[in-house]
Amino acid sequence: NAGVTQTPKFQVLKTGQSMTLQCAQDMNHNSMYWYRQDPGMGLRLIYYSASEGTTDKGEVPNGYNVSRLNKREFSLRLESAAPSQTSVYFCAATGGNYGYTFGSGTRLTVV
Amino acid sequence: GENVEQHPSTLSVQEGDSAVIKCTYSDSASNYFPWYKQELGKGPQLIIDIRSNVGEKKDQRIAVTLNKTAKHFSLHITETQPEDSAVYFCAASKQSNYQLIWGAGTKLIIKP
Repeated sequence: NAGVTQTPKFQVLKTGQSMTLQCAQDMNHNSMYWYRQDPGMGLRLIYYSASEGTTDKGEVPNGYNVSRLNKREFSLRLESAAPSQTSVYFCAATGGNYGYTFGSGTRLTVV
Repeated sequence: GENVEQHPSTLSVQEGDSAVIKCTYSDSASNYFPWYKQELGKGPQLIIDIRSNVGEKKDQRIAVTLNKTAKHFSLHITETQPEDSAVYFCAASKQSNYQLIWGAGTKLIIKP
């Protein structure tokens, strides 16, 4: 019972490099979310996908793009990484008006 | 839009004592209120939740109470133990979009 799987767990990028964070869920949930969490801070929503084929901006979408590849997978792309994007990124999934299941996070450092 | 305020930001209690964390929400249409625990280096994990048709819910040492009139809900942890040390987040959502609105978090410290 993996739940939500995120890869990679750790990543160091140079300013201007691009990368894609992967997220996959095996719970057959419709909705998926990408959050960032800065040290000592709460969760800020970057993008979400209410269902397969739809994506919407959250609170802090600038500098990011997303793809809902299928029902299972929701990826987050940084086209040109900046030091301000150093953070821990969490993916989550939910089947409706229930609790979210979170992945274990990707710790990204941009130097 | 919906706003969720959480207090206190840090709570330090003696092991064995009780801890209470409070949240208020602004949207009266909210009907689902979960609590999450985040341990160091891990993702948040759902520990208990309550819906608007219930006033209180218990699960062993933890309980959540909801006051719809005042639009606030609280997490109660009794007989605190060292493993309760973590950051706790409250959240609220409504059936129209299921999107959770998060509180800012409370760092709970259990003193031995």
